[in-house]
Amino acid sequence: NAGVTQTPKFQVLKTGQSMTLQCAQDMNHNSMYWYRQDPGMGLRLIYYSASEGTTDKGEVPNGYNVSRLNKREFSLRLESAAPSQTSVYFCASSYSLTVADTQYFGPGTRLTVL
Amino acid sequence: EDQVTQSPEALRLQEGESSSLNCSYTVSGLRGLFWYRQDPGKGPEFLFTLYSAGEEKEKERLKATLTKKESFLHITAPKPEDSATYLCAVFRGGADGLTFGKGTHLIIQP
Repeated sequence: NAGVTQTPKFQVLKTGQSMTLQCAQDMNHNSMYWYRQDPGMGLRLIYYSASEGTTDKGEVPNGYNVSRLNKREFSLRLESAAPSQTSVYFCASSYSLTVADTQYFGPGTRLTVL
Repeated sequence: EDQVTQSPEALRLQEGESSSLNCSYTVSGLRGLFWYRQDPGKGPEFLFTLYSAGEEKEKERLKATLTKKESFLHITAPKPEDSATYLCAVFRGGADGLTFGKGTHLIIQP
């Protein structure tokens, strides 16, 4: 099992460009999440998907959109990148959103917006 | 608003020197407290889940404990490979996901 995979690993964008971060899990989990990690801020939830076909905003959703493509895949899109979106992005998955199930994290995408 | 505070921010120990990391939290209706380890350039790696006050869990040189206000991660006789950032997170169910602390950066010197 690969667990949670993310692509790309690194990306540099110019202000105003768009891109999609891809995430896939092979653990048959129902719930998936996108977090961002910034120095001194800890991990913060951007969007989550409780189950296939549903998505909801987390703590810091502005400037992002998501798509739960199927049970395995959950993508994060930046429509018009801004320097404030320079961060490390982590995808995670768990069996359920409603109980304290372990969230398993991917290796991250390091994004720089110039 | 849920808050998770980890201390110290950074800790440097000699190999074999035991110590504890602290995670204090204010959250109503705690459903679970998680500890993760994060190595540089990698995603968080799950260590433990604690569900209720008084609970303890162990894994190799690590032992996690939970009270109603805080959790401790005890590291006994650490080795250089234990060097990492240790993250604490709380979960109170539903749509809020995990609320993370900022982490403790631990360095174990040979």
